Amino acid sequence: QVQLVESGGDLVKPGGSLRLSCAASGFTFTDHYMSWVRQAPGRGLESVSYIGPSGNDISYRDSVKGRFTISRDNTKNSLYLQMNSLRVDDTAVYFCSRDPRRLDSWGQGTLVTVSS
Amino acid sequence: VVMTQSPLSLPVTLGQPASISCRSSQGLVYSNGDTFLNWFQQRPGQSPRRLIYKVSNRDSGVPDRFSGSGSGTDFTLKISRVEAEDVGVFYCMQGTHWPFTFGPGTTVDI
Repeated sequence: QVQLVESGGDLVKPGGSLRLSCAASGFTFTDHYMSWVRQAPGRGLESVSYIGPSGNDISYRDSVKGRFTISRDNTKNSLYLQMNSLRVDDTAVYFCSRDPRRLDSWGQGTLVTVSS
Repeated sequence: VVMTQSPLSLPVTLGQPASISCRSSQGLVYSNGDTFLNWFQQRPGQSPRRLIYKVSNRDSGVPDRFSGSGSGTDFTLKISRVEAEDVGVFYCMQGTHWPFTFGPGTTVDI
């Protein structure tokens, strides 16, 4: 079955950087768009970024443009999110999810805390 | 696109029906004719789980007491008979216009 396992979340100071990873299994990774969705503590859900199967179709929400970079390694069935210039309001659980328009499968999430 | 839901809190009685409304600030028909309106349930401490996709299609393994309907900018999730496992927060989400957006969530408790 589809499995998505995120890692890389941590406590980081404002202005710092972090790289999240998502290991995918149980499906043909190269057939699917992938995305990152986040949820601030006690808050709702927010789409962050998505990437096409070959990596050439990428979008970001405005609040992370220029700071976050999504990428994928199809040889490793892995999705990544490089987060730079982190801000306090980036604090959230970050979920890896399949098919950004449909979000049919989710990982368990990884917690990113931005605090001084 | 702003997604709104009502009510935000829904106390329910076991065995009774329940309904959640979702409204979008723009129409959700995509260029290919699909309407990317999804419903998710998030139980405490868990990741969201999709229940309904493209307005009215139930996901595999989702009990048939859950149903979705609607068109244009108005959508509804109905639970025909609430069971104890249905507690949690329910979100609608549009996947038509980027950035894809979620409603604020409706908390269902017994």
